[in-house]
Amino acid sequence: EAQVTQNPRYLITVTGKKLTVTCSQNMNHEYMSWYRQDPGLGLRQIYYSMNVEVTDKGDVPEGYKVSRKEKRNFPLILESPSPNQTSLYFCASRQKQNPLGETQYFGPGTRLLVL
Amino acid sequence: SQELEQSPQSLIVQEGKNLTINCTSSKTLYGLYWYKQKYGEGLIFLMMLQKGGEEKSHEKITAKLDEKKQQSSLHITASQPSHAGIYLCGADIGATDSWGKFQFGAGTQVVVTP
Repeated sequence: EAQVTQNPRYLITVTGKKLTVTCSQNMNHEYMSWYRQDPGLGLRQIYYSMNVEVTDKGDVPEGYKVSRKEKRNFPLILESPSPNQTSLYFCASRQKQNPLGETQYFGPGTRLLVL
Repeated sequence: SQELEQSPQSLIVQEGKNLTINCTSSKTLYGLYWYKQKYGEGLIFLMMLQKGGEEKSHEKITAKLDEKKQQSSLHITASQPSHAGIYLCGADIGATDSWGKFQFGAGTQVVVTP
């Protein structure tokens, strides 16, 4: 089954404790992206990756890091989480060859609470 | 900065009535997508529009993109409880040679009452 998986689904942590949210897709998609969703603000793009070893900033990259060492995986790293990073996070992937007209496939979301 | 303005922010509609959601951009949209989300869950792809004047329908949902490709609307006919949820428009920001950035509108919460 074609899917995007995220782990963990729920996470409670404390300020400053490094964490990683994993994202994996099995569709051989070149493009992957991370979003955060907050009430009243919709989804905002954090980082995206056009291919292995190619990443770029979205609209809200501060406080986050990403890496793309393999095509299928795109982890989101919070080196020193702060309470304002409490949010619902979504990973998505998309086929690059025909970017316009191709929808993104979204993971189920990771709900993060930073105390 | 938020480049996609979505309205209304929320909508309460009686079952059987129609509703319309709008999504407006100050820039040309190269691909406009509509998604539906149940609160706290993942996004479900509804439709994608690319060409100016394009209109697509699926079951009771119709989406249109204006000729200038700066405004889209999502129309639901004879709403049902299954139509309740958050509707989001999203778009590729940038031309085909610099695509990658993607933005969403803030969403419209739809409540369908008996």
